[in-house]
Amino acid sequence: DTGVSQDPRHKITKRGQNVTFRCDPISEHNRLYWYRQTLGQGPEFLTYFQNEAQLEKSRLLSDRFSAERPKGSFSTLEIQRTEQGDSAMYLCASSSRPSGGTLEQYFGPGTRLTVT
Amino acid sequence: KQEVTQIPAALSVPEGENLVLNCSFTDSAIYNLQWFRQDPGKGLTSLLLIQSSQREQTSGRLNASLDKSSGRSTLYIAASQPGDSATYLCAVKALMDSSYKLIFGSGTRLLVRP
Repeated sequence: DTGVSQDPRHKITKRGQNVTFRCDPISEHNRLYWYRQTLGQGPEFLTYFQNEAQLEKSRLLSDRFSAERPKGSFSTLEIQRTEQGDSAMYLCASSSRPSGGTLEQYFGPGTRLTVT
Repeated sequence: KQEVTQIPAALSVPEGENLVLNCSFTDSAIYNLQWFRQDPGKGLTSLLLIQSSQREQTSGRLNASLDKSSGRSTLYIAASQPGDSATYLCAVKALMDSSYKLIFGSGTRLLVRP
């Protein structure tokens, strides 16, 4: 396994369009996280899944954002009616729950979204 | 509310210098602290993770320390090289809104000049 992968790596879209990003976690990891990172800032938590259940969503996640993890494996993040303020790097991370483990998160390369 | 601050925001040093990056956090009730490296336009690579019960961790030329009581961590890079140029992010894992989350600082952009 080569780690967390994300697709696409870059996306340019016009304001008002819908976009969807995909994340494939490390295969045995049951937890999956989405973060957003704007220029010059650290990543901010958006949402996370344990298996297929979405356990928490940040207040940053407006109703234009929706995330799914239908079979507890890959996840998608959709943004509807994109706005220029949505331009950012969207990062995915995954972790497992071994007994006594650190729940360390492993990050993917990110999807850079530019809304014009 | 947990807040993480990194100083300086940017740093430029000549090759070979030893350097220290600083991270501070406002609430000492953390689960662990992690240092990441991020190259331009790329994802995050974990460098060192320090559990709340630990004082430091070392990996090669990197050494990270943790002082929970004062809310501080430092990342020490020995004999810096141009390949160390990147943004270094500090993150604490802390309980926020009923679950543990990673809370990041804004990073220190490091340039090591040949």
